[in-house]
Amino acid sequence: DVKVTQSSRYLVKRTGEKVFLECVQDMDHENMFWYRQDPGLGLRLIYFSYDVKMKEKGDIPEGYSVSREKKERFSLILESASTNQTSMYLCASSFVSGRIHEQYFGPGTRLTVT
Amino acid sequence: SQQGEEDPQALSIQEGENATMNCSYKTSINNLQWYRQNSGRGLVHLILIRSNEREKHSGRLRVTLDTSKKSSSLLITASRAADTASYFCATDGSGNTGKLIFGQGTTLQVKP
Repeated sequence: DVKVTQSSRYLVKRTGEKVFLECVQDMDHENMFWYRQDPGLGLRLIYFSYDVKMKEKGDIPEGYSVSREKKERFSLILESASTNQTSMYLCASSFVSGRIHEQYFGPGTRLTVT
Repeated sequence: SQQGEEDPQALSIQEGENATMNCSYKTSINNLQWYRQNSGRGLVHLILIRSNEREKHSGRLRVTLDTSKKSSSLLITASRAADTASYFCATDGSGNTGKLIFGQGTTLQVKP
């Protein structure tokens, strides 16, 4: 079974702190994604990586950066956390097979910025 | 940008009844997927239907796709309390980037 793990289920940080969210997948997937999920707004793509050291901005990249130094690990970085970044963060990965891109999700990290 | 829009936003039914959720999208697609999310958890892939398919079944799930109307429906038959969750449709656009665009989801409550 594909497994996607995220470093924390719950995280509380203070405004201005630098925050690292880690995601690891064990299926050698090329693609990895970071989403945030807010009530009424659904899932919004923050960043996408299609290979090691390759990244692409999603719909809402402002205030975030990412790092993918190894294929299995994709990190989301909040350079200076703000209260409006309080949200549920979901990581996903997918294997590119033809044109089928089923995504496998981690359990999510609920981040609260105070 | 949110391509998928789902209807209804919330649905409450009794155990044993059928639940139908609808999804509309805007652009051409290669396939459409449905995902389920239990409260406070990640999403789990349920079923995928390709653009050249009209209907697909998996256990108690039935998905239809109408590309002319750019819409899909997910039917859960003989619902159970354990089906209580949020359900999302996701489309891939017509490209091959691997990115999906998710709808805002339908929250289903199945009362025992």
